[in-house]
Amino acid sequence: NAGVTQTPKFQVLKTGQSMTLQCAQDMNHNSMYWYRQDPGMGLRLIYYSASEGTTDKGEVPNGYNVSRLNKREFSLRLESAAPSQTSVYFCASSEVQGANSPLHFGNGTRLTVT
Amino acid sequence: QKEVEQNSGPLSVPEGAIASLNCTYSDRGSQSFFWYRQYSGKSPELIMFIYSNGDKEDGRFTAQLNKASQYVSLLIRDSQPSDSATYLCAGGFSGGYNKLIFGAGTRLAVHP
Repeated sequence: NAGVTQTPKFQVLKTGQSMTLQCAQDMNHNSMYWYRQDPGMGLRLIYYSASEGTTDKGEVPNGYNVSRLNKREFSLRLESAAPSQTSVYFCASSEVQGANSPLHFGNGTRLTVT
Repeated sequence: QKEVEQNSGPLSVPEGAIASLNCTYSDRGSQSFFWYRQYSGKSPELIMFIYSNGDKEDGRFTAQLNKASQYVSLLIRDSQPSDSATYLCAGGFSGGYNKLIFGAGTRLAVHP
């Protein structure tokens, strides 16, 4: 059982380049999330999808877009990468959307923007 | 601004001792709290969650929640070097925007 799978694991971009981070879960969860993790800071929510067909902004959405492709897949796109977007990105899923539903995380994508 | 605060550490304890990790939160409307363990370079993994005041035990781990004082703690009994990791506290807050607020984490080092 793979759980939450993210690709790629590592990526280096130049300022202004674009890329899409892919995420898929096989747990039949309804809700999916994208977080970023920076040193000395907690995980911060970028975007989330409470259910298939819906997406909403999180705490730090600027510079990102998302697509909930189907129930399994939730992608994160950086249209024009900036050095401030250098971070570790985690995709997560939960059975339902809400504070009482534990998150299951993917293995993360380490992104460096030069 | 809803916040979850943790001491960044490192908290250093000898093998076999009890490690006590603490977390405070700012919103009295909080509903639930989660403790995640994160090894260096890895993703967070859920250890425990607690919704009600009091203690909740699972093996060597005990979560404690005190809503009146707005703190939650994680006790690790018989600490092992394999427990060395960063422990993230996350709080679920009520009202409008259902999501978890994460603390920055406490780094635990268990030395032989």
